[in-house]
Amino acid sequence: GENVEQHPSTLSVQEGDSAVIKCTYSDSASNYFPWYKQELGKRPQLIIDIRSNVGEKKDQRIAVTLNKTAKHFSLHITETQPEDSAVYFCAASKGDSNYQLIWGAGTKLIIKP
Amino acid sequence: EAGVTQFPSHSVIEKGQTVTLRCDPISGHDNLYWYRRVMGKEIKFLLHFVKESKQDESGMPNNRFLAERTGGTYSTLKVQPAELEDSGVYFCASSHPNTGELFFGEGSRLTVL
Repeated sequence: GENVEQHPSTLSVQEGDSAVIKCTYSDSASNYFPWYKQELGKRPQLIIDIRSNVGEKKDQRIAVTLNKTAKHFSLHITETQPEDSAVYFCAASKGDSNYQLIWGAGTKLIIKP
Repeated sequence: EAGVTQFPSHSVIEKGQTVTLRCDPISGHDNLYWYRRVMGKEIKFLLHFVKESKQDESGMPNNRFLAERTGGTYSTLKVQPAELEDSGVYFCASSHPNTGELFFGEGSRLTVL
């Protein structure tokens, strides 16, 4: 069946440095790719998303890139801050559905002061 | 506006017992989803309601799990009888009718001993 692989499972970076989390997906019909952030003890929240008709999207310090040919997409966080510490989940839509998402296993991002 | 609320936040039960989890979605959100995350693994889709109808229940692991959404408002997820492998965090989410963005609850952590 369809799956999404997410790497790394844990990422530790120095405050101020950049962090990159990568996901690959298997369903070539996927066209919606959201990223969710879950801070410790809190609920997952959408931080950015991208659709397959766009190669890159940026929102302040976070950006997402999509390579449809290679079927992978990445989350980039620049100038990391302590509040960026969280678990980040990528997901890919099942086909062209907005609603059925296949999730990655999550990346625990640790920002070292 | 109130977010998605889940109850209980944590439940500890013995194998063979029954547990019922409840989710109250954001008012006006017709789409409601149940997900499960087992320790350190990906978020797995369980099922999707549109109002009171089960749109997709392909992710329900077996017939020990029963989800209902009578009246199209809150939803319950019953596990009966619970097994050890049912332990995990059960997330409920509802989605914005236009964007498809998922709004998650804080999750119900289930521990089966």
